[in-house]
Amino acid sequence: AQSVTQPDIHITVSEGASLELRCNYSYGATPYLFWYVQSPGQGLQLLLKYFSGDTLVQGIKGFEAEFKRSQSSFNLRKPSVHWSDAAEYFCAVGAWVTGGGNKLTFGTGTQLKVEL
Amino acid sequence: DTAVSQTPKYLVTQMGNDKSIKCEQNLGHDTMYWYKQDSKKFLKIMFSYNNKELIINETVPNRFSPKSPDKAHLNLHINSLELGDSAVYFCASRRTGTSGGDAYEQYFGPGTRLTVT
Repeated sequence: AQSVTQPDIHITVSEGASLELRCNYSYGATPYLFWYVQSPGQGLQLLLKYFSGDTLVQGIKGFEAEFKRSQSSFNLRKPSVHWSDAAEYFCAVGAWVTGGGNKLTFGTGTQLKVEL
Repeated sequence: DTAVSQTPKYLVTQMGNDKSIKCEQNLGHDTMYWYKQDSKKFLKIMFSYNNKELIINETVPNRFSPKSPDKAHLNLHINSLELGDSAVYFCASRRTGTSGGDAYEQYFGPGTRLTVT
């Protein structure tokens, strides 16, 4: 069965500093990987996705992520964090479900705090 | 324009009551989902419907009954509410008829915070 691990529950960075959020996945086939962001009291917004091809993918709000098959990782990065980036970040892997359909399996999330 | 909407946004009720949460999407998608986010922010899929047909049921207690009157709507009815049902419930949808990774990309609603007292 597929799974996603986000090792860091909380991360605090200073505004303007660089950011890396870790994500490791377990899936037997080609992984379809996603990063979503949840601002306080809000729904989930898609930041970026990896399906195939270039292993470095660009997303919205200046975020990027790098897929490394050898490490089963899909880490999220941003060169310079803004105070508005404070939120919960979720990594997810897409997988087919026996009997039809597909679903996303999410990691436990990383809460990002930004210090001014 | 709101893509995936849910009503109500907040729901406070007592144990034993029955309540419903509604979800509507105007994206023209055929597949819709319900997820539960617990107090530790963990997101877990509950159900998925494709064109009004139940295709995923992740061992959710049968007090939870999803209903899809048409492919743009997926409602969640909960009977005999328990304290442990307190959570944020998210609706999501995705396109069908696509291939590869596009078939997995989901669009989420704003969530319904259910509090059972």
